[in-house]
Amino acid sequence: DQQVKQNSPSLSVQEGRISILNCDYTNSMFDYFLWYKKYPAEGPTFLISISSIKDKNEDGRFTVFLNKSAKHLSLHIVPSQPGDSAVYFCAASVGGGADGLTFGKGTHLIIQP
Amino acid sequence: SQTIHQWPATLVQPVGSPLSLECTVEGTSNPNLYWYRQAAGRGLQLLFYSVGIGQISSEVPQNLSASRPQDRQFILSSKKLLLSDSGFYLCAWNGGYSGNTIYFGEGSWLTVV
Repeated sequence: DQQVKQNSPSLSVQEGRISILNCDYTNSMFDYFLWYKKYPAEGPTFLISISSIKDKNEDGRFTVFLNKSAKHLSLHIVPSQPGDSAVYFCAASVGGGADGLTFGKGTHLIIQP
Repeated sequence: SQTIHQWPATLVQPVGSPLSLECTVEGTSNPNLYWYRQAAGRGLQLLFYSVGIGQISSEVPQNLSASRPQDRQFILSSKKLLLSDSGFYLCAWNGGYSGNTIYFGEGSWLTVV
């Protein structure tokens, strides 16, 4: 049973435009959500997070939106840059998160010049 | 600042051979430690987590085991590797200021032949 779903394995966006990556979850106990970026053969790096008490969090070019009623979150990257080409993972946790994060399968974002 | 290191970075092992991957965290005390695996098409799968010395929780029944002999050391082992153990193994930590955010090491590529 996959509790965190990223239904788009890949996404292609033109440089300078907005990239929107989507994530759905099924476990209503999740109260903290994160996005990670991963390059091949490297560990994921933390990008941005959001608590369930908020519906938006912004950090520079990255904004995460949370719709609790729809159990949906999205990551917006504006403007998209070539260095943004990577695999993006959505993750979620319950409570303090000591027992780890549950990850989606990832979306491969390709920024075209 | 906190840093995490894991080794070896790459290894090729024959079926039936033992495995030992080691991970250490610096700059923090009593971290929560994690082993994840990224197999082809399956995203990031939590294998083990530990909230303290000698305390190991297993998320997936399998051919692997984990140990935490010291506060900031986490070891992933196997007595006899299977072909299905091939993948990209990631050590991670959280705790203290990081809250729910997990930080990953560089990863170890394991190919079982």
